[in-house]
Amino acid sequence: AQSVTQPDIHITVSEGASLELRCNYSYGATPYLFWYVQSPGQGLQLLLKYFSGDTLVQGIKGFEAEFKRSQSSFNLRKPSVHWSDAAEYFCALFSSGSARQLTFGSGTQLTVLP
Amino acid sequence: DVKVTQSSRYLVKRTGEKVFLECVQDMDHENMFWYRQDPGLGLRLIYFSYDVKMKEKGDIPEGYSVSREKKERFSLILESASTNQTSMYLCASSGGGGGYTFGSGTRLTVV
Repeated sequence: AQSVTQPDIHITVSEGASLELRCNYSYGATPYLFWYVQSPGQGLQLLLKYFSGDTLVQGIKGFEAEFKRSQSSFNLRKPSVHWSDAAEYFCALFSSGSARQLTFGSGTQLTVLP
Repeated sequence: DVKVTQSSRYLVKRTGEKVFLECVQDMDHENMFWYRQDPGLGLRLIYFSYDVKMKEKGDIPEGYSVSREKKERFSLILESASTNQTSMYLCASSGGGGGYTFGSGTRLTVV
C-alpha cells in the first residue's frame, strides 16, 4: 500500500528566508506526486505536480519541488518566503492502479515571522 | 473559473440528526471525492465516485453514505450524526490523474 510522510508537523521561518518542506513516499511504481496548499478556512489549492520527465518541477507562487527517486522524496522549496505563504501544506501521491485516488500526508503547518 | 461548490461553510447539528452535505462541480468531471480533515490526521477519504450512480468506499466510510444521481452533484450523508463526526469536510473533483479541485469545505459541529 502507498503512503506519504511529512516529517515536520510545524515549521517557522522568517519572512525572506528560504523554505524547504519535506515529503517522503512509499509506492511500488513510479509515483504521481503533488503539493497542495491550504489557507485558513479554505479548501486545498494545487501548487505543483510531478508525473514524469524533469525531476525539478515549478509551480505557482514561486514554489518548486524536486523528485528524488533514490530517496523516495519530493521536497517543496521556495527561495524567499512571503508572509502570505503562511498556510498548511500537503504532499500527496496518486495511485494510477486500481485505487486511482490521492493519498495525502498529514500536512506541515508553516508560520512566517515578520 | 472552474469551481467545486459546497453548499454550507458551517453547520451545527444535533446528535442523531440526518445530515446532508452537498457538493456541485461545474467542470464535467467524472470523479468526485469526499474527505474529512482533522488536526494531525491530514485528509482521510470517506467515499468516492467515478461515475453517476457509482460509489466506492474510501478509508473511513463507517457512519457515512453517499449519493450521486447526477454527474455534477455528489452528496455525503450522515445517517445519524454523532459527536465524533465533528470535522471539516472537503469535496473534490477530478478529470483524472490526481489533479483535484477542492471546494472550500464545510465545518460540521455535532452537539
